[in-house]
Amino acid sequence: GAVVSQHPSWVICKSGTSVKIECRSLDFQATTMFWYRQFPKQSLMLMATSNEGSKATYEQGVEKDKFLINHASLTLSTLTVTSAHPEDSSFYICSAGQGPSDTEAFFGQGTRLTVV
Amino acid sequence: AQSVTQLDSQVPVFEEAPVELRCNYSSSVSVYLFWYVQYPNQGLQLLLKYLSGSTLVKGINGFEAEFNKSQTSFHLRKPSVHISDTAEYFCAGLTNSGGSNYKLTFGKGTLLTVNP
Repeated sequence: GAVVSQHPSWVICKSGTSVKIECRSLDFQATTMFWYRQFPKQSLMLMATSNEGSKATYEQGVEKDKFLINHASLTLSTLTVTSAHPEDSSFYICSAGQGPSDTEAFFGQGTRLTVV
Repeated sequence: AQSVTQLDSQVPVFEEAPVELRCNYSSSVSVYLFWYVQYPNQGLQLLLKYLSGSTLVKGINGFEAEFNKSQTSFHLRKPSVHISDTAEYFCAGLTNSGGSNYKLTFGKGTLLTVNP
């Protein structure tokens, strides 16, 4: 299957700083990428959907100014958590598909963010 | 309202025993259904998916699932589990997010624990 690489796997940052997480599709072009957040022992919550070359579509309740998403190329999307606070600590996972209606999404390995 | 319901948050079983993880979906979810497995601190791996055709779907690692339209269910089964099957399992369905865009809606997950 297709490979999606997420980097870093884990990061610790100080409160008030910004953190960037990268999501790359290694062997296919990802027209659509999805960003999820997962709290301990809970399911994945979709944060936003990004289509290459256009603005991301954020889910209700997700602050677009806090979680900046850029999908500038067909193989790379980034999520920047701006002015991070301890409550932003979570497991962030990206997935990529080959089209907006593609029935299979391939997931990155996730990024564990801890804000201290 | 939740579109995908996993009825059991935890399922403990003994090694080599059969297991069934239950999943029901609502009418707001398309009949494109998926089961994913997540090992600790990792992303999601696709086990199997139902798009159309035969209602019995076979996946990786000996898992299978049966799509039942009348009961709006997509239960996951394995006839004999191994210790290595211990993981979190997520049922998901595709929902339309506007136009030709779709997104995955996840159940809350079921923690399968296989004991020796």
